[in-house]
Amino acid sequence: EDQVTQSPEALRLQEGESSSLNCSYTVSGLRGLFWYRQDPGKGPEFLFTLYSAGEEKEKERLKATLTKKESFLHITAPKPEDSATYLCAVPNAGGTSYGKLTFGQGTILTVHP
Amino acid sequence: EAQVTQNPRYLITVTGKKLTVTCSQNMNHEYMSWYRQDPGLGLRQIYYSMNVEVTDKGDVPEGYKVSRKEKRNFPLILESPSPNQTSLYFCASRTTNEKLFFGSGTQLSVL
Repeated sequence: EDQVTQSPEALRLQEGESSSLNCSYTVSGLRGLFWYRQDPGKGPEFLFTLYSAGEEKEKERLKATLTKKESFLHITAPKPEDSATYLCAVPNAGGTSYGKLTFGQGTILTVHP
Repeated sequence: EAQVTQNPRYLITVTGKKLTVTCSQNMNHEYMSWYRQDPGLGLRQIYYSMNVEVTDKGDVPEGYKVSRKEKRNFPLILESPSPNQTSLYFCASRTTNEKLFFGSGTQLSVL
C-alpha cells in the first residue's frame, strides 16, 4: 500500500531560522511528488511538482528537493507569513493516470517574529 | 477569476437526512476530486472523476456518491449521513500538469 509520511508533525521557528520539512514515501513507481501549502480555514494551494530523483524547484524562500525515498522542503530565512501547514502528496499506483492521490498528514509550521 | 466553488461553506444536519454538497469549477478542467480532512488523518480522497460520466473511488468512498453529468460540476452526495462523516470536505480540479486547485471547503457536522 502506498504511504506518505511527513515529519515533523509541527515545527516552530524564529524568523530567519532556516530548517527543512521531510516527506518520505513508499510507492511502486513514483510518478511525481507534489507540495501544497494550506492556511487555516482555506483549501490547499499548489507549490511544486517534482518528478525525478535529484530534481529541485524553488519559489521565494522555499526549495523542494527529491530523492528516491523522500522529499525535503527547505525554508530559508522564514518569515511569519510562511506559517501554514505544508502537505506533500503522491499519485497512488492503484489509480488511473494520476487520478488517485495520497496525501501526508502535513507539517504545521509556525514562524515567530 | 479562476476558481473552484463549493457550497455550502458550513452545514449542520442530522443522521439519515440526505444532503448534497455542490462543487463547480470555471477552468474547463476535465479532472475533479473530493477529499475529506480530519485531524490526525490528513486529506483523504473520496472520489475522483477523469471526465464527464467517468468517476472512480478514492481511498474512503463508503457512504458517499458522486455524479459528473457536466464538466463544470461534481456534486458530493451523502444519502444517509452518519456522525462519522462529520469532517471538512474539499473539492478540487486539475489541469493536465497535475496542479490541483482546491475550493474553500465545506465544514459538515452530522448530529
